[in-house]
Amino acid sequence: SQTIHQWPATLVQPVGSPLSLECTVEGTSNPNLYWYRQAAGRGLQLLFYSVGIGQISSEVPQNLSASRPQDRQFILSSKKLLLSDSGFYLCAWQASYNSPLHFGNGTRLTVT
Amino acid sequence: KQEVTQIPAALSVPEGENLVLNCSFTDSAIYNLQWFRQDPGKGLTSLLLIQSSQREQTSGRLNASLDKSSGRSTLYIAASQPGDSATYLCAVRLPPNTGNQFYFGTGTSLTVIP
Repeated sequence: SQTIHQWPATLVQPVGSPLSLECTVEGTSNPNLYWYRQAAGRGLQLLFYSVGIGQISSEVPQNLSASRPQDRQFILSSKKLLLSDSGFYLCAWQASYNSPLHFGNGTRLTVT
Repeated sequence: KQEVTQIPAALSVPEGENLVLNCSFTDSAIYNLQWFRQDPGKGLTSLLLIQSSQREQTSGRLNASLDKSSGRSTLYIAASQPGDSATYLCAVRLPPNTGNQFYFGTGTSLTVIP
């Protein structure tokens, strides 16, 4: 069966520090991969999605970036965190365009 | 632009009651609609996916219906239990080649009182 792993679960980082969040999917090949951010009391904001290795689309201009170095690995990065980057980050995958979307357990990021 | 609305934002019911959660969307040309539940501090768990050609999907005590023409979906939960307490979100997908967005509602927070 397919599973998605996302880590770390929680992270506290100072302003200006770098960020690296990792997500991996098992049990499937060539999945569509997504990074979302969920702010308290608000909906999910799509940050990046990828339909294949090295193929990244950005939905929101900001100081975050994403990479897909391997088929089932998706990484969210920042060179310098801002206070406004605090939030709940969720990785998600789907097998194909008409398949269900499945989420990881999320990373709670607090920028201090 | 597709907008997805879930009303009410919060709902409290006694255990054992049947209940309906609502999801409305403004653009009826959707590809599919998915229902999720989210427990506090956790990711979203997929409940049901309805393709645009379908009218309903069932899983256990859950039944989701879709009426594209009216821009509505409902999630019916039978014989509610305290373990059903969570936030329920719906998300719609537009057809391919219109972007890769899922449009999410802001959710209905359900509390089932023992």
